[in-house]
Amino acid sequence: DAKTTQPPSMDCAEGRAANLPCNHSTISGNEYVYWYRQIHSQGPQYIIHGLKNNETNEMASLIITEDRKSSTLILPHATLRDTAVYYCIVRVLSQGGSEKLVFGKGTKLTVNP
Amino acid sequence: NAGVTQTPKFRILKIGQSMTLQCTQDMNHNYMYWYRQDPGMGLKLIYYSVGAGITDKGEVPNGYNVSRSTTEDFPLRLELAAPSQTSVYFCASSARWAEKLFFGSGTQLSVL
Repeated sequence: DAKTTQPPSMDCAEGRAANLPCNHSTISGNEYVYWYRQIHSQGPQYIIHGLKNNETNEMASLIITEDRKSSTLILPHATLRDTAVYYCIVRVLSQGGSEKLVFGKGTKLTVNP
Repeated sequence: NAGVTQTPKFRILKIGQSMTLQCTQDMNHNYMYWYRQDPGMGLKLIYYSVGAGITDKGEVPNGYNVSRSTTEDFPLRLELAAPSQTSVYFCASSARWAEKLFFGSGTQLSVL
């Protein structure tokens, strides 16, 4: 069972910011939030991850609420090529692989011209 | 640097046939994973490996087997193919368990 809740679909105008929400109300203190995306039927692509501080890289920004129960992925200037399914995943940072990784259905983001 | 390479890209099997999906990575990653994705659904973990010689079951392991004789290769074996195994299969690898996964381009398998 997925530990995260995401809206099934969202639309965004090209050039505008895309804000994708994710709820993870049962997140534990040592669990990271990861975001991936899957363009068409390709393999998923890593975007960004964070623990409790906001993070930014060349692809996106990740805003995590102070209570860590939700987060938002921000694509600052969405392009048509950002149309994809975006997955929010909670992972446990541990050795040995005891945690099972769970990808939910994600959010289908459509960027419109 | 090829990353994660999967072969074949497409395959059609008859019920009861067997096959091996190949996966190899050239990043010297310890962790490797096999996922399946049914139409309109998220990815489900089949098996994973934390290093050569060590494998473990994921969420949906029934009907599959894996081996990890080298760091680079992590093949997935279907012994008696069933229609329920019709899916897209993705292999992935990572340097450490919690670090970002690199995915292959997938194998689309149909069992008829």
